[in-house]
Amino acid sequence: AQTVTQSQPEMSVQEAETVTLSCTYDTSESDYYLFWYKQPPSRQMILVIRQEAYKQQNATENRFSVNFQKAAKSFSLKISDSQLGDAAMYFCAYRSAGTQGGSEKLVFGKGTKLTVNP
Amino acid sequence: KAGVTQTPRYLIKTRGQQVTLSCSPISGHRSVSWYQQTPGQGLQFLFEYFSETQRNKGNFPGRFSGRQFSNSRSEMNVSTLELGDSALYLCASSTRLAGGSETQYFGPGTRLLVL
Repeated sequence: AQTVTQSQPEMSVQEAETVTLSCTYDTSESDYYLFWYKQPPSRQMILVIRQEAYKQQNATENRFSVNFQKAAKSFSLKISDSQLGDAAMYFCAYRSAGTQGGSEKLVFGKGTKLTVNP
Repeated sequence: KAGVTQTPRYLIKTRGQQVTLSCSPISGHRSVSWYQQTPGQGLQFLFEYFSETQRNKGNFPGRFSGRQFSNSRSEMNVSTLELGDSALYLCASSTRLAGGSETQYFGPGTRLLVL
């Protein structure tokens, strides 16, 4: 079974600075997807960024980028120019890239609580 | 396009009762998944439905069940509620393309409190 580990329960960053959240995962599969979701106090889970394992290029979305190291099974999230609105719980998630009959089950890490200080 | 909606948003029940939660996916999405979120266990997969068929089920007791209707709306039911069932229940939908490449979008959740 796949597992996802987020080793930093809490992180803090100064507004306008850069922070990196860590995520490692364990799988025997070669094809899969990785996601970072953000959950603000409203509890609405919002997709931040996704990465296909077959792509060597790291995904970027505006101020958010990932460092995907497939061999090391590592998938960190970098937030540049941090804003107060970035404060939230961040969850790393894994999903198998099955065939047409595959599952959409997401396996989540425990989350990292990010605080942004003004 | 409207997002995933879940009703009710908040619910208080007592032990032994049963509860039904509803999820309406984004228009055009045919896949619905359910997750339970608790402070202790985190986010755990409950089940997944596509075209009215359960495609996958998580490691939860039989008290947890679900179904999907022809319009893709889904319901989950928990019978004989226990205190430990208190949680945020999240629903997610996607178009479920072949190969599973589509992203899932989450609803706001239903917060269930069991007294």
